Amino acid sequence: EAQVTQNPRYLITVTGKKLTVTCSQNMNHEYMSWYRQDPGLGLRQIYYSMNVEVTDKGDVPEGYKVSRKEKRNFPLILESPSPNQTSLYFCASTSSGESSYEQYFGPGTRLTVT
Amino acid sequence: AQSVAQPEDQVNVAEGNPLTVKCTYSVSGNPYLFWYVQYPNRGLQFLLKYITGDNLVKGSYGFEAEFNKSQTSFHLKKPSALVSDSALYFCAVSPYSGYALNFGKGTSLLVTP
Repeated sequence: EAQVTQNPRYLITVTGKKLTVTCSQNMNHEYMSWYRQDPGLGLRQIYYSMNVEVTDKGDVPEGYKVSRKEKRNFPLILESPSPNQTSLYFCASTSSGESSYEQYFGPGTRLTVT
Repeated sequence: AQSVAQPEDQVNVAEGNPLTVKCTYSVSGNPYLFWYVQYPNRGLQFLLKYITGDNLVKGSYGFEAEFNKSQTSFHLKKPSALVSDSALYFCAVSPYSGYALNFGKGTSLLVTP
């Protein structure tokens, strides 16, 4: 089954404690991205990756890092989380070819930073 | 700069009636337009897209959308709403390609029996 998985699904942490949210896709997609969803603001892109070792900033990259060492994995790293990073996070991968540009989203990670 | 506006925070419709969820966009270049749906506690799911060709595009679950270049709109429609259509709907746009999407704030659709 084609899917994007994220872990953990829920995370409560304290300010300053480094954390990583993992994302993996099994569709061999080259393009992957991270979004955060906040009420009244919709989805905003944090970072994206066009391929292995190619990443770039989205609209709200401050406080986040990513890496793309393998095609299937695209982890999101918060080196020193702050309360304003409390949000719902989605990883997505994007198809090419006949299903061009359809984004497949993971189930989301609800992060609370206290 | 690209942007998407969904002017209605919530749309209420009775089951069996037609529904419309509005979306207008601003982008330089030819727009790539998308609709996604989010059910409670789930990720977003692709509904339909417009890249080129026929202005009326059909998608999943009986939804369709009409691209109107002069009005820069891409409204989502369905002839007969179901209670199960109740969800959060997002319009998204990208210039030149379908990768770097800019999402609207979302419209909550409530279909009542």
